[in-house]
Amino acid sequence: GAGVSQSPRYKVAKRGQDVALRCDPISGHVSLFWYQQALGQGPEFLTYFQNEAQLDKSGLPSDRFFAERPEGSVSTLKIQRTQQEDSAVYLCASSLLALGVFNEQFFGPGTRLTVL
Amino acid sequence: EDKVVQSPLSLVVHEGDTVTLNCSYEVTNFRSLLWYKQEKKAPTFLFMLTSSGIEKKSGRLSSILDKKELSSILNITATQTGDSAIYLCAVRTQGGSEKLVFGKGTKLTVNP
Repeated sequence: GAGVSQSPRYKVAKRGQDVALRCDPISGHVSLFWYQQALGQGPEFLTYFQNEAQLDKSGLPSDRFFAERPEGSVSTLKIQRTQQEDSAVYLCASSLLALGVFNEQFFGPGTRLTVL
Repeated sequence: EDKVVQSPLSLVVHEGDTVTLNCSYEVTNFRSLLWYKQEKKAPTFLFMLTSSGIEKKSGRLSSILDKKELSSILNITATQTGDSAIYLCAVRTQGGSEKLVFGKGTKLTVNP
């Protein structure tokens, strides 16, 4: 594919449900980022992968949030026992290279999660 | 805590006007400042600035960084309705995961 894709584009969950959000980065991109964007706010960093290694998860707001990238390509962000404050757009971004060199981050269209 | 502040938060202009968007930052270990345009969902990259005083230009858009004042501006001349979007400023810091710290954005509306 030409760009980063995410699925589903929209997800409505009842409070307490578990959700899984998928990110397909650009083929060959080493780095993958997840961001959370609440309404009216800028994106906030959640976690970073270099290939399959999760090198930074300092932005994950609680232990209900879990991300993986087992084969160094597709990534899944899982949110357990969703709460209303989890409602946001979840953006995935990928970049070609690893740390230390400027890499443009290419963003996907996001998944809009609404927790009722 | 790293912080990026953008102003104004929203702006409404008429086609043909020139606008200036502001971004200021307080971060440890500054590496670079980036501008993105966000229409609908996915932010798209506009500029990356690392050195003070060097203007980056692309068509009607230009941007410059002032490392002494810890700030940057994004200028758009002869605005068009297609420029309507949220403009995000983000800062990369050295070390760590190369994560971007974003401001809240400036919502620009260009009316015909």
